[in-house]
Amino acid sequence: GAVVSQHPSRVICKSGTSVKIECRSLDFQATTMFWYRQFPKKSLMLMATSNEGSKATYEQGVEKDKFLINHASLTLSTLTVTSAHPEDSSFYICSARAPGLGTDTQYFGPGTRLTVL
Amino acid sequence: SQQGEEDPQALSIQEGENATMNCSYKTSINNLQWYRQNSGRGLVHLILIRSNEREKHSGRLRVTLDTSKKSSSLLITASRAADTASYFCATDAYGNKLVFGAGTILRVKS
Repeated sequence: GAVVSQHPSRVICKSGTSVKIECRSLDFQATTMFWYRQFPKKSLMLMATSNEGSKATYEQGVEKDKFLINHASLTLSTLTVTSAHPEDSSFYICSARAPGLGTDTQYFGPGTRLTVL
Repeated sequence: SQQGEEDPQALSIQEGENATMNCSYKTSINNLQWYRQNSGRGLVHLILIRSNEREKHSGRLRVTLDTSKKSSSLLITASRAADTASYFCATDAYGNKLVFGAGTILRVKS
């Protein structure tokens, strides 16, 4: 149980276009989802916390107009990278808390590798 | 800013040996968690230790937590080639957010 999926797993786009990444909790309801960014050989940096039905909370230094987050249901959060540029190329990972499972654990998706040409 | 610092940054051992990774953090925590990441993949949760616990075991994994020193260690016993991965500690400081350490790249040679 507690599986989180991401789609797509890999995307290549041209500079200036927007890319949407989906994060789904498959077998549990996630009131809170998190979006992370990871550069090669580096650690994960939290970008924002997404709460179902409310606005996302962004970490300092993360542009909310650049990285649009929508958490429309208890099983789906989306991250849209708007007007993507090569410096946005990175590995984006989402996670979801499963408070209904009675744990503090976050369950992570497999990640999405974004390459902006 | 990242809270956790891990050492070593990289560790190379022979199959069958034990691997020890350390993590230090700066503020009070609710719990500390260890994750594994295979190259280019998502994270797999390994073990969670709460601030009132000192040691926890799960299979070949042993985690210790010293809140007075703000440090934790992850021991993998009898390592296998399949244990080759990056290992991250992450602290949960009562804010429902995880702050990740820099990670240790473990290579187990067969």
